[in-house]
Amino acid sequence: NAGVTQTPKFRILKIGQSMTLQCAQDMNHNYMYWYRQDPGMGLKLIYYSVGAGITDKGEVPNGYNVSRSTTEDFPLRLELAAPSQTSVYFCASSYSTRGGNYGYTFGSGTRLTVV
Amino acid sequence: SQELEQSPQSLIVQEGKNLTINCTSSKTLYGLYWYKQKYGEGLIFLMMLQKGGEEKSHEKITAKLDEKKQQSSLHITASQPSHAGIYLCGADEGGNTPLVFGKGTRLSVIA
Repeated sequence: NAGVTQTPKFRILKIGQSMTLQCAQDMNHNYMYWYRQDPGMGLKLIYYSVGAGITDKGEVPNGYNVSRSTTEDFPLRLELAAPSQTSVYFCASSYSTRGGNYGYTFGSGTRLTVV
Repeated sequence: SQELEQSPQSLIVQEGKNLTINCTSSKTLYGLYWYKQKYGEGLIFLMMLQKGGEEKSHEKITAKLDEKKQQSSLHITASQPSHAGIYLCGADEGGNTPLVFGKGTRLSVIA
């Protein structure tokens, strides 16, 4: 059981380049999330999805796009990379019902540097 | 929007000592989650608290939820080097809203 798998683990981008961060989960979780973690700043929500075909913005969505075509995959797209997007990106998933969610499972993160 | 304040921001303790980390919410707590992050790695789920007064333990880590104070505390008894890392609290606003996280408490345990 792999849990939440993120690729790549590290990446260096030049300003203006684009890339896609991949995230896949094999737990049949309905909810998926993208957070970014900057030093000393905790985690900030970028986008989330409550199911295939449904996505919504979080606190810091500018400069990013997402899609959720399947339950398993939730890729994060960076268009026109900027130095402010240098961060560690975490994907997470959870099983959530009307009774609440049952804790998030996080991937190991993607460390992105934009130069 | 909900904000979580963690204290202290960092902590250095001698091996074998007890310690407490606090997480205070600006709004009513519906669910409070504690995670641990080892340096350079992902977050590992520790415990979830949902009811006022609830207390949970896992090995030498105990977490409590004080609903009236909108606060949770994480207590580690007889700390070990394996406890070192960043502890983050997360909370939702009910209705399956995504978790908001505190900035974390960095714990170092020295021999």
